[in-house]
Amino acid sequence: ILNVEQSPQSLHVQEGDSTNFTCSFPSSNFYALHWYRWETAKSPEALFVMTLNGDEKKKGRISATLNTKEGYSYLYIKGSQPEDSATYLCAYSGGYQKVTFGIGTKLQVIP
Amino acid sequence: NAGVTQTPKFRVLKTGQSMTLLCAQDMNHEYMYWYRQDPGMGLRLIHYSVGEGTTAKGEVPDGYNVSRLKKQNFLLGLESAAPSQTSVYFCASSYTRGLADSYEQYFGPGTRLTVT
Repeated sequence: ILNVEQSPQSLHVQEGDSTNFTCSFPSSNFYALHWYRWETAKSPEALFVMTLNGDEKKKGRISATLNTKEGYSYLYIKGSQPEDSATYLCAYSGGYQKVTFGIGTKLQVIP
Repeated sequence: NAGVTQTPKFRVLKTGQSMTLLCAQDMNHEYMYWYRQDPGMGLRLIHYSVGEGTTAKGEVPDGYNVSRLKKQNFLLGLESAAPSQTSVYFCASSYTRGLADSYEQYFGPGTRLTVT
């Protein structure tokens, strides 16, 4: 069983604060790293899929970086807003379109 | 364009009963997946399919069977439900150009199943 770990498990920040969380994954046999955003009572939605070491992706105030050699990815949120409150999942792909999900980081942004 | 849909949304079963969960996608995706989500655990892959007529086991396949008779549908069956199968079940699908590619997965709304 592949180990995909996310930290912290939960996080409370004030509106306007910037924050970041970590996903660590096996550095061997790497194909891709996915980030998903999962709002309560909804289903996960993809934010990014990154495949190359050094990849950086950005969508609005959210960005992500990837280090495949050391097996970690960071997700950054700049100027957090209440609507950013969600669980952020990362998922590691070792090929063949299968991914292994982490437990997620639950973010709550306090107005 | 409905995306990924799941039927039913909720179900309560008694131990030993059987049921089938239906997943349908209208995006012409080759790959489809069934996950279960339990408190304190990540999404765990039950079974997946890389195309019509094919299925494969995931991380937690025991107690479940699947079929992919049509490209757009992926069925998950519980032959004899057990309380340990109480969970939220998510279906997902993804596009692919090849085995080594990795594209985002599109998820259905989930099915909440309780086995008493």
